[in-house]
Amino acid sequence: DAGVIQSPRHEVTEMGQEVTLRCKPISGHNSLFWYRQTMMRGLELLIYFNNNVPIDDSGMPEDRFSAKMPNASFSTLKIQPSEPRDSAVYFCASPGGLAGGVNEQFFGPGTRLTVL
Amino acid sequence: GQNIDQPTEMTATEGAIVQINCTYQTSGFNGLFWYQQHAGEAPTFLSYNVLDGLEEKGRFSSFLSRSKGYSYLLLKELQMKDSASYLCAVRDRNDYKLSFGAGTTVTVRA
Repeated sequence: DAGVIQSPRHEVTEMGQEVTLRCKPISGHNSLFWYRQTMMRGLELLIYFNNNVPIDDSGMPEDRFSAKMPNASFSTLKIQPSEPRDSAVYFCASPGGLAGGVNEQFFGPGTRLTVL
Repeated sequence: GQNIDQPTEMTATEGAIVQINCTYQTSGFNGLFWYQQHAGEAPTFLSYNVLDGLEEKGRFSSFLSRSKGYSYLLLKELQMKDSASYLCAVRDRNDYKLSFGAGTTVTVRA
């Protein structure tokens, strides 16, 4: 398994543009998390899917942000329109499993978004 | 909600021991996790505690006291590669949702 895959790894865009971040979670697990990390606010949960259904989107900053998980192997996080304060690293995470049944979260490599 | 506190920075010498404390006040609890994050990289899982006591894994150990809302991560025989941010995270009672502390940046000096 290649782990969690995210694309693009880096994105530089201008204010007002639409940004789409993509994630392919670990196969066989039907939960997925989107996080945002900044120096000021640390690592924040944006939205959590289980069985492809959004369970908790209380962390989504505002209506400019939307996320979908059309199937168990793909999710998108969209920002429209983007603003400079959206600049951050966006991580996608997928639960894994250890021998003891602990479902820790495996993080993807992240997308570093810069909005000019 | 969750309130998770940990020190911002710690510095230690190569070969020494460092203990990173984490206190939490949470509405639900189903485990405490420690993650390591090197600069520019994703967080990676280090340890998990759900019952009181010490869990040891090589040079790293993690302790939990649920009654005190307290955990620590102990790093022994520090190496330069241990310089990183260490994140304490609490899992909510009923699902996989994790709430993270702000992280402790550990700098290991020669």
